[in-house]
Amino acid sequence: DSGVTQTPKHLITATGQRVTLRCSPRSGDLSVYWYQQSLDQGLQFLIQYYNGEERAKGNILERFSAQQFPDLHSELNLSSLELGDSALYFCASSASGGSSYNEQFFGPGTRLTVL
Amino acid sequence: EDQVTQSPEALRLQEGESSSLNCSYTVSGLRGLFWYRQDPGKGPEFLFTLYSAGEEKEKERLKATLTKKESFLHITAPKPEDSATYLCAVQAWNAGNMLTFGGGTRLMVKP
Repeated sequence: DSGVTQTPKHLITATGQRVTLRCSPRSGDLSVYWYQQSLDQGLQFLIQYYNGEERAKGNILERFSAQQFPDLHSELNLSSLELGDSALYFCASSASGGSSYNEQFFGPGTRLTVL
Repeated sequence: EDQVTQSPEALRLQEGESSSLNCSYTVSGLRGLFWYRQDPGKGPEFLFTLYSAGEEKEKERLKATLTKKESFLHITAPKPEDSATYLCAVQAWNAGNMLTFGGGTRLMVKP
């Protein structure tokens, strides 16, 4: 158990809909990262937040957005869903988000199925 | 653009048969190289971080090494419970804290 929690575990929805994925980082970690894992693309970085502020962006679609709240939990919002958005979405956390070395610890993931 | 290539894609071993997994990388200034283990349907589990060429780290039957172009994950006398996908990722100095992952090596250890 990494200490990172994600809800829900599974999500099944229809094309065009909007969903919210939730992540709570390990106690004391200030950085939260979101990754997408699909069969054809592997594990891809989406976005990072550090202590409430966006720190880095990867290949995140404009239909996707995220935020980190004052209690450090984070939400990933996916809208206008397409079949290709079906994937495992992982949240990871680390102690820092700046210049020091850090390991990222991953949560159990949310499996999103878009029908 | 940072790139990570892992080989082989899949590896079948008999219990006790030692082998190595390869991770080749191209990165503009390596900040760290990470190894993770992932079981089906689960999140990646952190194994090692390597920071500079020549560094080695060990944990039970696993040993990770790093050169300027690649990293190896050596598995000594594997057991069936070592079956999993092993992922390699790099972190570059000019890319914040994001990890760039390779495609993984799916390891199957038969009893």
